[in-house]
Amino acid sequence: DAKTTQPNSMESNEEEPVHLPCNHSTISGTDYIHWYRQLPSQGPEYVIHGLTSNVNNRMASLAIAEDRKSSTLILHRATLRDAAVYYCILLGVDFGNEKLTFGTGTRLTIIP
Amino acid sequence: DTGVSQNPRHKITKRGQNVTFRCDPISEHNRLYWYRQTLGQGPEFLTYFQNEAQLEKSRLLSDRFSAERPKGSFSTLEIQRTEQGDSAMYLCASSLMWEVGYGYTFGSGTRLTVV
Repeated sequence: DAKTTQPNSMESNEEEPVHLPCNHSTISGTDYIHWYRQLPSQGPEYVIHGLTSNVNNRMASLAIAEDRKSSTLILHRATLRDAAVYYCILLGVDFGNEKLTFGTGTRLTIIP
Repeated sequence: DTGVSQNPRHKITKRGQNVTFRCDPISEHNRLYWYRQTLGQGPEFLTYFQNEAQLEKSRLLSDRFSAERPKGSFSTLEIQRTEQGDSAMYLCASSLMWEVGYGYTFGSGTRLTVV
């Protein structure tokens, strides 16, 4: 399985942008980059995904490096509700890789 | 659609007893996944179905665990002869096969405590 590397924890001030990095140097050409987050006592929640181009949605933006070996999840204006564990995951299209495989993620703390 | 529903939310059982959990996915989703999560860890893949067919099962999964999705709709996960090490949150998720990038929708999980 392709692997990702994320910092164990990060802190950010409320109402400021947050940049969550992820390294995936062994990514294959057909792997999608997915981000999920998990709030306390809840199941993971889909945030965003991308393949090659940068992506925006109502929750966040995803910036993908040109060589695709790293990506950054951007929360434009953090709120206390964004405090969660964020997972960066590669999702493939071939059998055995077409399921989400979670690491330990980045625990994001928002400082009021 | 109310999302992915899991029942019960909590289950306390004595060691050695059998337990069964149920997952109702989003109705149009043809894929269904089971994960297990212990404190401080990310969810660990257990098994997944495409319609009623079980396509993959984790090699780490004990023979005491079995899952079914008889009509391609809801699924059940049974643990036989529970052990204390089975205590965890059991998560179910569903997705639409043709939308590789569309993401999974997770339920809120069933927390199992084996005493």
